[in-house]
Amino acid sequence: GAGVSQSPSNKVTEKGKDVELRCDPISGHTALYWYRQRLGQGLEFLIYFQGNSAPDKSGLPSDRFSAERTGESVSTLTIQRTQQEDSAVYLCASSSDRGNTEAFFGQGTRLTVV
Amino acid sequence: AQSVTQLGSHVSVSEGALVLLRCNYSSSVPPYLFWYVQYPNQGLQLLLKYTTGATLVKGINGFEAEFKKSETSFHLTKPSAHMSDAAEYFCAVSRTGGFKTIFGAGTRLFVKA
Repeated sequence: GAGVSQSPSNKVTEKGKDVELRCDPISGHTALYWYRQRLGQGLEFLIYFQGNSAPDKSGLPSDRFSAERTGESVSTLTIQRTQQEDSAVYLCASSSDRGNTEAFFGQGTRLTVV
Repeated sequence: AQSVTQLGSHVSVSEGALVLLRCNYSSSVPPYLFWYVQYPNQGLQLLLKYTTGATLVKGINGFEAEFKKSETSFHLTKPSAHMSDAAEYFCAVSRTGGFKTIFGAGTRLFVKA
């Protein structure tokens, strides 16, 4: 596709429910990132996928958070038993693996837990 | 390991004044350096990047940054701030070989009339 696509753009969920967020990276990009951005805050790294390597999950805040990516395509971020503190914008980015090219960001999914 | 430090989570300048946003990095190998901008309620977009060659890099909207290896810095500047520059700015470092890009915590720029 022309850019990184995330869906849904907005999600309101009840506390305790599970949610699934989707990211379609730019075709051919081997690297994919998930970040969390709370209101008025910076980027909080969650997870990094690079090709077929084991993902870097060092940023996942708890075992309620998980993410999958099949090959170099779509990724899903799942949050189980959502809590109010999970409310944030979840950003996905993709890039090539050459390092000298920028990451392209999606518009994000705004998650509100009520 | 690589890291990025942005000095000042908030910077306020008057319209027409110099903008200086500071970024220092650490890297054991030659880094690639980036500045991204996030306008209110929008996604992040690339402002400029340094990979190799000229150490003074020009980006969009009149911004530029200079890679100073001796100071491990990549500060972002603009000679004259405009109200439309109010945004969040993120510095980032990466390297070749499939390593993840590391982002700084961000600096929010306020521009006063």
